[in-house]
Amino acid sequence: DTGVSQNPRHKITKRGQNVTFRCDPISEHNRLYWYRQTLGQGPEFLTYFQNEAQLEKSRLLSDRFSAERPKGSFSTLEIQRTEQGDSAMYLCASTLTGEAGELFFGEGSRLTVL
Amino acid sequence: GENVEQHPSTLSVQEGDSAVIKCTYSDSASNYFPWYKQELGKRPQLIIDIRSNVGEKKDQRIAVTLNKTAKHFSLHITETQPEDSAVYFCAASRRAAGNKLTFGGGTRVLVKP
Repeated sequence: DTGVSQNPRHKITKRGQNVTFRCDPISEHNRLYWYRQTLGQGPEFLTYFQNEAQLEKSRLLSDRFSAERPKGSFSTLEIQRTEQGDSAMYLCASTLTGEAGELFFGEGSRLTVL
Repeated sequence: GENVEQHPSTLSVQEGDSAVIKCTYSDSASNYFPWYKQELGKRPQLIIDIRSNVGEKKDQRIAVTLNKTAKHFSLHITETQPEDSAVYFCAASRRAAGNKLTFGGGTRVLVKP
């Protein structure tokens, strides 16, 4: 296992289009997190899963955003009717349930909305 | 929810000098405080972390201190090298909040040779 994998790495789309990002966590990790990072800022929490259950969603996650982890393994993050303000790096991270500890991040999916 | 403030936002040091980055947090229940380093276009990577039952931790040229009473923690890098140039993020989390990390705004460190 080489770590957390995200695809695509880059996505350029026109305003109003839908986009989907995929995250494959480290195989034994049952917790998966999505973050959004804009230029010059720290990552902002969006949502997280424990196995297939989505346990928390941030207020940042508008109704145009939906995330799934149907089998408790990979996860998808879909953005519908994209807006220019959605342009950002979308980071996925995974870890094991238990005491607070390191989150292992993927390389991210960079979204540019024209 | 948790709020993490980080200072300074940029830091320029001469190679060989020390760099110090400071963070404050708002949730007194937070008990895990990692520091991540992010190079341009790369993923954030953990460089050191500290838990609330410890006041200080050191790993070679990097050290972190935690003051639970004041709710602040700091990263110290000694004998800085050009490869230390990157953006550093502090964060805080607690188990009851799903272990999700709340990040500070980041510090861009430039080590001048």
